[in-house]
Amino acid sequence: EVQLVESGGGLVQPGGSLRLSCAGSGFTFSTSWMHWVRHAPGKGLVWVSRIKSDGSTTSYADSVKGRFTISRDNAKNTLYLQMNSLRAEDTAVYYCVREGGDLWGQGTLVTVSS
Amino acid sequence: QSALTQPASVSGSPGQSITISCTGTSSDIGAYKYVSWYQQYPGKAPKLMIYEVSNRPSGVSHRFSGSKSGNTASLTISGLQAEDEADYYCSSSVSSRGWLFGGGTKLTVL
Repeated sequence: EVQLVESGGGLVQPGGSLRLSCAGSGFTFSTSWMHWVRHAPGKGLVWVSRIKSDGSTTSYADSVKGRFTISRDNAKNTLYLQMNSLRAEDTAVYYCVREGGDLWGQGTLVTVSS
Repeated sequence: QSALTQPASVSGSPGQSITISCTGTSSDIGAYKYVSWYQQYPGKAPKLMIYEVSNRPSGVSHRFSGSKSGNTASLTISGLQAEDEADYYCSSSVSSRGWLFGGGTKLTVL
């Protein structure tokens, strides 16, 4: 089955860190550009970051630049998002998405609160 | 970069047609053919309904269609059905900066 499965979300205090993972299966993960998109409660979708298929090129939204790092391990078919210096406004469901937008994970909830 | 502009809500009766607009600039929607539309039910992941302005992925109903004129893209749903009630988001690829999304439109089927 073609799918993406996120994990790693949870409750974290402001200023804390969290690493999200996204495992891909059923397709050639190593040739796919990948993205992270988040959806805050009551708000719209927001693009967070993307990474080239071989991991050599990355891009970030201004709101997370310098705090979040996207990476991947093609041997493990896994995408990562390292989130540091977390703020309340980072609270959202985080989705990993294949380039083209045709494949989304189920999402993982990150809550930043004291 | 600001989000694309969508109406907050639209509504229609079963069987009618509705159109959701998505307005950007000459740097996003006006510059690229990579405009997509997503349908999202509460608590669920978004589903791709239209890609590259007007193409439907396999399995998406022919009642959904997309178009673009200048800096504005549109999603039209014909023959509205109760199951179409959901949130709809447009997005545009923006050069090397990833994706830009609209604020979302809540569709109510009366």
